[in-house]
Amino acid sequence: NAGVTQTPKFQVLKTGQSMTLQCAQDMNHNSMYWYRQDPGMGLRLIYYSASEGTTDKGEVPNGYNVSRLNKREFSLRLESAAPSQTSVYFCASSEGTPQLHFGNGTRLTVT
Amino acid sequence: GESVGLHLPTLSVQEGDNSIINCAYSNSASDYFIWYKQESGKGPQFIIDIRSNMDKRQGQRVTVLLNKTVKHLSLQIAATQPGDSAVYFCVLASGGSYIPTFGRGTSLIVHP
Repeated sequence: NAGVTQTPKFQVLKTGQSMTLQCAQDMNHNSMYWYRQDPGMGLRLIYYSASEGTTDKGEVPNGYNVSRLNKREFSLRLESAAPSQTSVYFCASSEGTPQLHFGNGTRLTVT
Repeated sequence: GESVGLHLPTLSVQEGDNSIINCAYSNSASDYFIWYKQESGKGPQFIIDIRSNMDKRQGQRVTVLLNKTVKHLSLQIAATQPGDSAVYFCVLASGGSYIPTFGRGTSLIVHP
């Protein structure tokens, strides 16, 4: 009964370093999403994938890339991390409705 | 584009009281309205939703009211419990892709 699994849970990067945030879901959902959450703000959509093989930009895509590796997995990559990317990142999945199932987040600090 | 606002950033209530969390929206094209609950250190969790062709929907201890005339959505929690302490998000989506747009959230604090 795992649902949406995100790895790692915590990460500290130096400015300019790169990393990939991993996300996997076991509910056979077609749609997957990456959001970021900053203090005092709601979740903002970075990228989403409506189905395997497709990805689209959300509200704040700059500085990020994504890969929908297969139906289960949707990764988020930071090629050159910046302090402005310090945030909590949430992955979610859904099946045709706005009822999203979220992971528990990756807390990223860029120094 | 869509904008989602909340009337109060923090709501404090006593255990056992009823809580009402309000949300104003601007996009008349929204046809799907959802409330999420986010506990500390966790991802948001779906609570209840309502479609634009309805004005009221009830769940277990929760009721969502939709007033399309004034573009207002509310979440009512009956007999609020300490476990209800969390941030509550009003979320909108429009037909087709149904990409959810989150508001800033209201922090509900329940005092025992």
